[in-house]
Amino acid sequence: EAQVTQNPRYLITVTGKKLTVTCSQNMNHEYMSWYRQDPGLGLRQIYYSMNVEVTDKGDVPEGYKVSRKEKRNFPLILESPSPNQTSLYFCASSPGTPTSGYEQYFGPGTRLTVT
Amino acid sequence: AQKVTQAQTEISVVEKEDVTLDCVYETRDTTYYLFWYKQPPSGELVFLIRRNSFDEQNEISGRYSWNFQKSTSSFNFTITASQVVDSAVYFCALRGGNSGGYQKVTFGTGTKLQVIP
Repeated sequence: EAQVTQNPRYLITVTGKKLTVTCSQNMNHEYMSWYRQDPGLGLRQIYYSMNVEVTDKGDVPEGYKVSRKEKRNFPLILESPSPNQTSLYFCASSPGTPTSGYEQYFGPGTRLTVT
Repeated sequence: AQKVTQAQTEISVVEKEDVTLDCVYETRDTTYYLFWYKQPPSGELVFLIRRNSFDEQNEISGRYSWNFQKSTSSFNFTITASQVVDSAVYFCALRGGNSGGYQKVTFGTGTKLQVIP
């Protein structure tokens, strides 16, 4: 089954404790992206990657890191989480060519609470 | 910079009524893609439709229809004969474009639709 998986689905942590949210896709998609969803703000793009070793900042990259060492994986790293990073996080992937349509397929989301 | 505006924060309709969700976008790109996604109460994001900037044909899929007008930079979504299962948050999104390699994606803030039985 074609899918995007994220782990963990729920996480409660404390300020400053480094954490990683994993994202993996099995569709051989070139493009992957991370979003955060906050009430009243919709989804905002954190980072995206067009392919292995190619990443770039979205609209809200501060406090986050990513890496793309393999095509299927795109982990989101919070090196020193703060309470304002409490949010619902989505990973997404899509083909990287226009003939494929560019629509994104989303993971189930990770609800992160930083106390 | 690109922008997507969904001015309707929440809409309530009675079952079987028609409802239109508005989406207005801004971009400097001449080539771009527009999308609608549905987020039901369970939380997942479901892709509904894609439209590219050089295809202004309207589309109908069952009770759903989409009206894309480049002249007004709008991509509106109509649900005909709404049902309780249509209750969800709906997001409009823009992926532009020829200037940036189709890498940045901007979502609107979403419209929460409640269909009352």
